[in-house]
Parts: sequence; C-alpha cells; structure tokens
Amino acid sequence: GIQVEQSPPDLILQEGANSTLRCNFSDSVNNLQWFHQNPWGQLINLFYIPSGTKQNGRLSATTVATERYSLLYISSSQTTDSGVYFCAVGSANAGGTSYGKLTFGQGTILTVHP
Amino acid sequence: DAGVTQSPTHLIKTRGQQVTLRCSPKSGHDTVSWYQQALGQGPQFIFQYYEEEERQRGNFPDRFSGHQFPNYSSELNVNALLLGDSALYLCASRLLGDGYYEQYFGPGTRLTVT
Repeated sequence: GIQVEQSPPDLILQEGANSTLRCNFSDSVNNLQWFHQNPWGQLINLFYIPSGTKQNGRLSATTVATERYSLLYISSSQTTDSGVYFCAVGSANAGGTSYGKLTFGQGTILTVHP
Repeated sequence: DAGVTQSPTHLIKTRGQQVTLRCSPKSGHDTVSWYQQALGQGPQFIFQYYEEEERQRGNFPDRFSGHQFPNYSSELNVNALLLGDSALYLCASRLLGDGYYEQYFGPGTRLTVT
C-alpha cells in the first residue's frame, strides 16, 4: 500500500517563529489532507490539497503531486498552534473508485513556547 | 450544518467483552469510515461503508465488524476485547461520487480495555 512519511517528528518553536512541515508519499493520490489534532483527539481539517497551493490566514500548504510531496507552512506561530499535525493521503482502488481510505503519516508534534 | 458525531465519548470495558460504537455522518454525506488510533500513532484505517455495505477493509481481524443504516449512520462492533484494543476510535464521512474527496472526522470515542 501507499506509504506516508512526515518530517520532522518533533518541532519546538518560540512564539512568532515560522515553520515548515513536510509530507512525502509513495504513489499517486486523489486526496491529500492536513489535519491538526487537538489535545482531546479531534482531527481538525486544515487543508484539502491533492495538488496546488492554498492559504488560510497564517497557514498555507503546497502539494507537488508529480514529485509526491506536500508542505505545510505555519507563519508567526502561536501557542495555540501546538499539537500534532497529520498528513493523510487517499488513492483510488484497482477499480477506480475511492471510497475514502486515508493513509496517515506518523505526525509532527509541534510545541510553541511563549 | 451538523458535523460528524460519535457516541459515547469514553468507554471502559473488560477484556473479553463486546463493545458497540456509534457514528452519525456530516449532513449530506453518505460514506462512513472507521479508524483506530493507538497512543502516539497516526490513525489506522479499519473499514468503510457505503450503501450499507462494507466496501474496503484494512488489516484488522474479524473481531471488528460494522454496519451502516439507511440513514447513513454507522456502528463499529468489537468482540472479545483485548487489552491492545484500547485506543481512540475515529469516524469519518464524505459524499461519494462528487469528485471531491475531503473527509471530516468526528471527536472520537476513547475505549479503555482493562
């Protein structure tokens, strides 16, 4: 099956710093999502970005599908940005249907200190 | 617009018992997937349901079974619980067939097996 690798595994920042999280995947995908998992376990949708670039406030993401990687940028980090960030990808099955299986990376644990 | 809901929030069971977890998809969605997230790991795909049938399954034993109802809600059943089944169980939903693959997750059910 498809493999997903995230880096770095851990990231410690001072408030106000910028950061880049990376997600590499091993096969073509029709879905790539970035999530932030809060301390209670809720996965919060950040971006749906199987290709291209998107921005939402201080966060932006870029996926280069032909090179099989995605980047999540966090600018001017805040303590509330702390938590685990997951990249998850999905691909069509042999019949061409994508019912929704997502394969997750191991996550990046972000800690932002005041 | 109602999001994905799950019940119960927390559950404590004894080894060997059976458990049923419930999920209601986001309004307008028709496909439900279940994931297991062990502590410190990314979520792992269990299975997904569409039109009341299991369409795709991950690497989980037959002790894990499910059901989808005509109103698209779903149940996850786990029989003969093991200590290793202790985890956060997440439900996700999407609308199949619209060419847009973004999935939304519920808040999860935290299962503890003692």
